[in-house]
Amino acid sequence: VQLLESGGGLVQPGGSLRLSCAASGFTFSTYAMNWVRQAPGKGLEWVSGISNSGGDTYYADSVKGRFTLSRDNSKNTVYLQMNSLRAEDTAVYYCAFSRGRPYWGQGTLVTVSS
Amino acid sequence: EIVLTQSPGTLSLSPGERATLSCRASQSVSSSYLAWYQQKPGQAPRLLIYGASSRATGIPDRFSASGSGTDFSLTISRLEPEDFAVYFCHQYGSSPPWTFGQGTKVEIK
Repeated sequence: VQLLESGGGLVQPGGSLRLSCAASGFTFSTYAMNWVRQAPGKGLEWVSGISNSGGDTYYADSVKGRFTLSRDNSKNTVYLQMNSLRAEDTAVYYCAFSRGRPYWGQGTLVTVSS
Repeated sequence: EIVLTQSPGTLSLSPGERATLSCRASQSVSSSYLAWYQQKPGQAPRLLIYGASSRATGIPDRFSASGSGTDFSLTISRLEPEDFAVYFCHQYGSSPPWTFGQGTKVEIK
């Protein structure tokens, strides 16, 4: 099982960024996928989740209306579109799912700063 | 949303001592979906325990965990120097959201 996040970087407040998570080693279309973030020096915060089909999406209140989660099962990839970014969105973003146990990627750093 | 509360916030112990960390849930958590992680500065969380009591691959047997319902615990039988870190509990039930405890820091006394 491998989850490879990409798309992080430095963005100005109010800007946008799209994170991708490429999955391999399991039947991607069978499993719900999630994003979890960790701000510098802080704990872990679940951000968003999507059902295996993509028909249902869920968001933390802190990102609702600004972030959009989607997936392409033909590409084994999940996408997190982040708009209207704020300084408090600065964090390492992890892609994760569970199949008996949780699996995580190594994370991608998003820095929101002017 | 299930709130996970970890205690204590910080545990000051010496190498060789036993560490017991607690994770209490605001409502019942299926034991199948409770995990523990270790995290060191600058690193991603490392899965230690899943399903409340199953050690992940490669995790030494000095790490053990138990619990059910709303009360879970992680025990490190004899602290090694590399065990001083922050530990998080995590419930990853079938219905979102996932939730996490705020962490317990195990520091050298």
